[in-house]
Amino acid sequence: GAGVSQSPRYKVAKRGQDVALRCDPISGHVSLFWYQQALGQGPEFLTYFQNEAQLDKSGLPSDRFFAERPEGSVSTLKIQRTQQEDSAVYLCASSSGTSGTSEQFFGPGTRLTVL
Amino acid sequence: AQTVTQSQPEMSVQEAETVTLSCTYDTSESDYYLFWYKQPPSRQMILVIRQEAYKQQNATENRFSVNFQKAAKSFSLKISDSQLGDAAMYFCAYRSARGADGLTFGKGTHLIIQP
Repeated sequence: GAGVSQSPRYKVAKRGQDVALRCDPISGHVSLFWYQQALGQGPEFLTYFQNEAQLDKSGLPSDRFFAERPEGSVSTLKIQRTQQEDSAVYLCASSSGTSGTSEQFFGPGTRLTVL
Repeated sequence: AQTVTQSQPEMSVQEAETVTLSCTYDTSESDYYLFWYKQPPSRQMILVIRQEAYKQQNATENRFSVNFQKAAKSFSLKISDSQLGDAAMYFCAYRSARGADGLTFGKGTHLIIQP
């Protein structure tokens, strides 16, 4: 595809359920990022992959959050035992390079609502 | 840790007029990159303009330009000849030159274009 895609676009979960959010980056992009955007706020960094290696996971808010990118392309963000405070839009971005100036291309996001 | 502050939650401008969005940041690093992203109601984040901190010349992209004041840690965005399609949330973002981490975003400014 031409851009970053994410699925599902919307997810409603009951408190305590596990969810998995998928990101398909632009083909060939080395770098992949996950961000969490609460309502009315700017995105907050969660984690960064360079190919299949997770180089930074300092932004993951708790050990209930887990991300993987096993083959260096598609990535999955998993949230276990969801809580109401997990409700947010989860954005994925990819870039072709690894330097700080490399443009990040964002997906449309997955809106997670935890009831 | 780096912080990015956008002090204008909302700005309004008449079509065809010029508007300036403010951004300040705090960092102890000397080498970094600054970005302005646009997020229309569809929620897909789009890069508007970027600035390398080591460059003294302000970046320009068509109707968009920045005023980068490194000593003051200020990075404002000027939009000339505002168009209805410019209406969106605008986020200022910082990224370390190290490249191994994600973007740090401000809270955003909601730009309204009055026809």
